[in-house]
Amino acid sequence: GENVEQHPSTLSVQEGDSAVIKCTYSDSASNYFPWYKQELGKRPQLIIDIRSNVGEKKDQRIAVTLNKTAKHFSLHITETQPEDSAVYFCAASVGGFKTIFGAGTRLFVKA
Amino acid sequence: NAGVTQTPKFQVLKTGQSMTLQCAQDMNHEYMSWYRQDPGMGLRLIHYSVGAGITDQGEVPNGYNVSRSTTEDFPLRLLSAAPSQTSVYFCASSRGLRTTYNEQFFGPGTRLTVL
Repeated sequence: GENVEQHPSTLSVQEGDSAVIKCTYSDSASNYFPWYKQELGKRPQLIIDIRSNVGEKKDQRIAVTLNKTAKHFSLHITETQPEDSAVYFCAASVGGFKTIFGAGTRLFVKA
Repeated sequence: NAGVTQTPKFQVLKTGQSMTLQCAQDMNHEYMSWYRQDPGMGLRLIHYSVGAGITDQGEVPNGYNVSRSTTEDFPLRLLSAAPSQTSVYFCASSRGLRTTYNEQFFGPGTRLTVL
């Protein structure tokens, strides 16, 4: 079945540094790749997404890249801040439904 | 709009009991899904629905039933609770195939403990 692998499981960076989280997916039909942020005790919330007809998308300090040939996509956070500390999930889906999530990356930003 | 609502927020069950987790959305979304979240395992898809009357299995469907009689509601039934079903359950909805805007909106979650 579909599978999404996410690395690393834990990431610790100094404030101001960049953070990169990588994901791979198995279903070549996947065409929608969202990233969610989940703060402790709260629900996941979308922070950025990318569709298969786009190779890169940027929103202020957050960017996502997609390599369809290799079936991997990455989240880049620049100029990290303490409020970026959270768990980040990548996901893949076909048409936006039956979304499969990665296991998550716990990001710590040290002030 | 209330968005996606879930009840109850917390629930403790004994092994073998049954119960229904409620989920409702007021955004006229076609797609609805149920996930469970266990430590270190991310969000795993239990069941999903692409519209009223249509449901399908996700990654971990065993022990759970769903139905979708209306666009708004998508209840999740635990048939005979087991300790392995102790988890946080999230319901989510999104607009559907006829739009390219596929963001999922999550409910606040239900924390279930099975003793």
